[in-house]
Amino acid sequence: EIVLTQSPDTLSLSPEERATLSCRASQSVSSNYLAWFQQKPGQAPRLLIYGASSRATGIPDRFSGSGSGTDFTLTISRLEPEDFAVYYCQQYGSSPRTFGQGTKVEIK
Amino acid sequence: QVQLQESGPGLVKPSETLSLTCTVSGDSLSGYYWTWIRQPPGKGLEWIGHIHYSGTTDYNPSLKSRVSMSVDTSKNQFSLKLTSVTAADTAVYFCARGSGRYVYWGQGTLVTVSS
Repeated sequence: EIVLTQSPDTLSLSPEERATLSCRASQSVSSNYLAWFQQKPGQAPRLLIYGASSRATGIPDRFSGSGSGTDFTLTISRLEPEDFAVYYCQQYGSSPRTFGQGTKVEIK
Repeated sequence: QVQLQESGPGLVKPSETLSLTCTVSGDSLSGYYWTWIRQPPGKGLEWIGHIHYSGTTDYNPSLKSRVSMSVDTSKNQFSLKLTSVTAADTAVYFCARGSGRYVYWGQGTLVTVSS
């Protein structure tokens, strides 16, 4: 099983600042099948990024994903008020699918 | 527009079986994998498993002995059964389309395990 470790657990930032979230895998993620999700309270997660760096349909270009192998990054270039939420990475290259523990981006 | 909706009892007694159904509208089950994911209150996401429309399944090893999934293409539904539940199975249960990169999700349904 691939264990995904996200850092930091909490990121305290102000609107318009840049957010950098990390996801590290315990072994290489096959074909870089790594996704990022955003979740707000009481809602289902929303797909932001798939294949490590491809934006899902309708996702603003301030969200970008990078990385390969075992190290992946989600960057939000300029935080908007609606971006304060919890973010999860997930690998779907091998079974069982696994999620990171989440990073909470909160308003400073 | 593809929509998924979970349904089932919101309260299950310890040692009993949790049963949920996900009804899909706006698309056919054919050609896709269909997934169950859960989230204990205040915690992260856990992949339970997925089922192909043909019936092939893949389950999380941590739950494999207690989980079963099925599809009903005539009703455009797929289902989850989890046996011998305990308080640790209390969670919001989500259904989603695909075997990864989940675009379409249900809203989630809270299942509480309590006597």
